[in-house]
Amino acid sequence: NAGVTQTPKFRVLKTGQSMTLLCAQDMNHEYMYWYRQDPGMGLRLIHYSVGEGTTAKGEVPDGYNVSRLKKQNFLLGLESAAPSQTSVYFCASSYRGGRGYEQYFGPGTRLTVT
Amino acid sequence: GIQVEQSPPDLILQEGANSTLRCNFSDSVNNLQWFHQNPWGQLINLFYIPSGTKQNGRLSATTVATERYSLLYISSSQTTDSGVYFCAGQGGSEKLVFGKGTKLTVNP
Repeated sequence: NAGVTQTPKFRVLKTGQSMTLLCAQDMNHEYMYWYRQDPGMGLRLIHYSVGEGTTAKGEVPDGYNVSRLKKQNFLLGLESAAPSQTSVYFCASSYRGGRGYEQYFGPGTRLTVT
Repeated sequence: GIQVEQSPPDLILQEGANSTLRCNFSDSVNNLQWFHQNPWGQLINLFYIPSGTKQNGRLSATTVATERYSLLYISSSQTTDSGVYFCAGQGGSEKLVFGKGTKLTVNP
């Protein structure tokens, strides 16, 4: 049981380039989330999904797109990277059931945009 | 939406000391979690505690939902306890809102 995994772990992009971050979970969780963490701050929600084929905007969605084609995967895309998107990105997942919405986090992806 | 405030922002301890971290939230929650972010950036789930008290080794947490706060207790602190402790709350939506964290440094 790997829990929540993220690929890649590190990435450097030039301004204007595009990339996709992959999140995978093997816990059969319904809900999945993408957060970003900037220095000295807590995590902020970018987008989330409450089930396969669904997506919704979070607190800071601009400049990002997401897709949830399979229940176990949640993709985060940057179409035209900007230096302001330099951050650490965390994916999380949760059940929807008796334990409420306890979220489990992946190890993070450190992205630098130059 | 819900707001989460943590205090203190920074805390420096000698190994073996005890500490209490506080989390206040602005509205009722159906999910309240404590996390430890270690120096390598990994987020570790400590407690899922929307109400009541839980203990796990040297760590314990109490949430008083009616008064909208939660406390994390660390006893006999060790250098490996260093890092940032986050509290996060969730109200009526799917969104978990994080506080800005308490940075804990435990010196040998």
